[in-house]
Amino acid sequence: DTAVSQTPKYLVTQMGNDKSIKCEQNLGHDTMYWYKQDSKKFLKIMFSYNNKELIINETVPNRFSPKSPDKAHLNLHINSLELGDSAVYFCASARTDLQETQYFGPGTRLLVL
Amino acid sequence: DQQVKQNSPSLSVQEGRISILNCDYTNSMFDYFLWYKKYPAEGPTFLISISSIKDKNEDGRFTVFLNKSAKHLSLHIVPSQPGDSAVYFCAAVYNQGGKLIFGQGTELSVKP
Repeated sequence: DTAVSQTPKYLVTQMGNDKSIKCEQNLGHDTMYWYKQDSKKFLKIMFSYNNKELIINETVPNRFSPKSPDKAHLNLHINSLELGDSAVYFCASARTDLQETQYFGPGTRLLVL
Repeated sequence: DQQVKQNSPSLSVQEGRISILNCDYTNSMFDYFLWYKKYPAEGPTFLISISSIKDKNEDGRFTVFLNKSAKHLSLHIVPSQPGDSAVYFCAAVYNQGGKLIFGQGTELSVKP
């Protein structure tokens, strides 16, 4: 009964490949997010969705495309992976009226070789 | 250009003593501040928050202090316990409901 789950937990792939990370939350939240934690450990927001609608889209390369099939899921697809994409990616969710209190998934560790 | 900074990457404290984690920010528009705690191989979990209209918020062993003039906040844990060993992230937001800006975290180690 994990609140926010992500798959896979680990992803090792070659440059140029396309990969997807899936996220699901069972908290009934309307808002979901993707964060990237880079080598300097900063957690930076990439996208947020509210009720399947894109709300925040930071300056992320358009190789990254989020998809929200329903409000419980927010998947991240990455095209033409580059070495610099290696990072830990966290999914999170929150109530629309309490967006500061976010619930995070366990993270997906992506390594691009 | 990092708007939220935690300048101490690590902190080691003896069990039972006070842990003080610090965070500085540059954007005076921030109006809400939070601390998140992260264990290895897990995502961050919300710990405590404070609005910019307050200078202190307490929840059990955890107290957050805000000094707006210095653009500084701190998290005090008293008494520290080994289970508090984790990475602590501070975060800030303006226009409550907007995006969180996180610091890079401080790894706290509480020794028995």
